[in-house]
Amino acid sequence: QLQLQESGPGLVKPSETLSLTCSVSGDSISSSNYYWGWIRQPPGKGLEWIGSIYYNGITYYNPSLKSRVTISVDTSKNQFSLKLSSVTAADTAVYYCARLGRGSAAMRSWLDPWGQGTLVTVSS
Amino acid sequence: EIVMTQSPATLSVSPGERATLSCRASESVTDELAWYQQKPGQAPRLLIYGASTRATGIPARFSGSGSGTDFTLTISSLQSEDFAVYYCQQYNTWPPDLTFGGGTKVEI
Repeated sequence: QLQLQESGPGLVKPSETLSLTCSVSGDSISSSNYYWGWIRQPPGKGLEWIGSIYYNGITYYNPSLKSRVTISVDTSKNQFSLKLSSVTAADTAVYYCARLGRGSAAMRSWLDPWGQGTLVTVSS
Repeated sequence: EIVMTQSPATLSVSPGERATLSCRASESVTDELAWYQQKPGQAPRLLIYGASTRATGIPARFSGSGSGTDFTLTISSLQSEDFAVYYCQQYNTWPPDLTFGGGTKVEI
């Protein structure tokens, strides 16, 4: 059964870089034919796609976040990671990782399954 | 960016009743639309993809319809566990720019 688990600091200072990792179990990032993504949800608000990555490093980012976002993959650890630079209070959110559900290397897809999410608060 | 607009923001219904949720795209997304259910403190769960295909394990009381710019999620007979927030998401744009609607809260 495919499972995703986010990990990383729950508190980040303004202007610093937020770093999170998504650990995948039950499937191999490098042998499966899927993209993997990050999504966030500010407290009490809706969902925002951050970006997606393929096992070979191909990435796509939300245009509104592109200048601050880097998503990378470590196939040896079966993980992918998110870095968001120059954070402000507006970046406070629950961050989710997920698999893009449509195989065949589809970079445009629904998201399924999702990790449980991790709350990151930006505050000094 | 394709803007997804959901209505109503809140839907008050009773158990056993039918619920109809709407999602409108600012331009055509063909049938590349998904629906999710989110309960408090939980991650979203995929209900529908391809506008009308139920995801694995989703009960038949959930159905999706529509194409182009107008979509509907119908819950035929609300169960207590269906009270939640529902989001639509389009995945039609190139380059990829997945966007979500603002959500509809289904409450008693």
